[in-house]
Amino acid sequence: DGGITQSPKYLFRKEGQNVTLSCEQNLNHDAMYWYRQDPGQGLRLIYYSQIVNDFQKGDIAEGYSVSREKKESFPLTVTSAQKNPTAFYLCASSFRRQGRNQPQHFGDGTRLSIL
Amino acid sequence: AQKITQTQPGMFVQEKEAVTLDCTYDTSDPSYGLFWYKQPSSGEMIFLIYQGSYDQQNATEGRYSLNFQKARKSANLVISASQLGDSAMYFCAMNPSGGYQKVTFGTGTKLQVIP
Repeated sequence: DGGITQSPKYLFRKEGQNVTLSCEQNLNHDAMYWYRQDPGQGLRLIYYSQIVNDFQKGDIAEGYSVSREKKESFPLTVTSAQKNPTAFYLCASSFRRQGRNQPQHFGDGTRLSIL
Repeated sequence: AQKITQTQPGMFVQEKEAVTLDCTYDTSDPSYGLFWYKQPSSGEMIFLIYQGSYDQQNATEGRYSLNFQKARKSANLVISASQLGDSAMYFCAMNPSGGYQKVTFGTGTKLQVIP
């Protein structure tokens, strides 16, 4: 079945440590996105990528980095510069043009906590 | 810039009754799309329904319908015959400019269905 796989489901970060969240899709989507969700809040866009080897900052990119070396993969690194990383992280993908039969598809998310 | 407003942080509905979740938006783009997503407690985001700004009719998908009032910039989700499994967070979202831009999400409404 086609879909988006995020791993790990739960992740713990020590102070000063960088951690990487994995996101893989086999939907043949061109665009991929990373969102952060805090308790009781909506989704805030961290980074997005419309094509391979290109990505743009979203609304809250500070303290995060991404790469897009393959169409299927869009890993997110939470760096030590992100002082409040505890949140639920969602990865999504879509065709470049979103519409009626082309919404974003989401993974199951990764919960990141500080040790 | 586009903005989505969901003014109902939480709502209750009796099982088998209908419920309306409010969503207003603000954009200067003449062409845009509106989405509704459901997020159960497990965390995944599930696409429910889409409305294009130039669609002549309100969108319907099974028990979900979208009450689209363009002049008032509102796109309310109506769930008919509520079921216990409808208890979840619901997010309204929009992307402008023909679908190639990033999606903006509202802060969500938590719906609880009472037996």
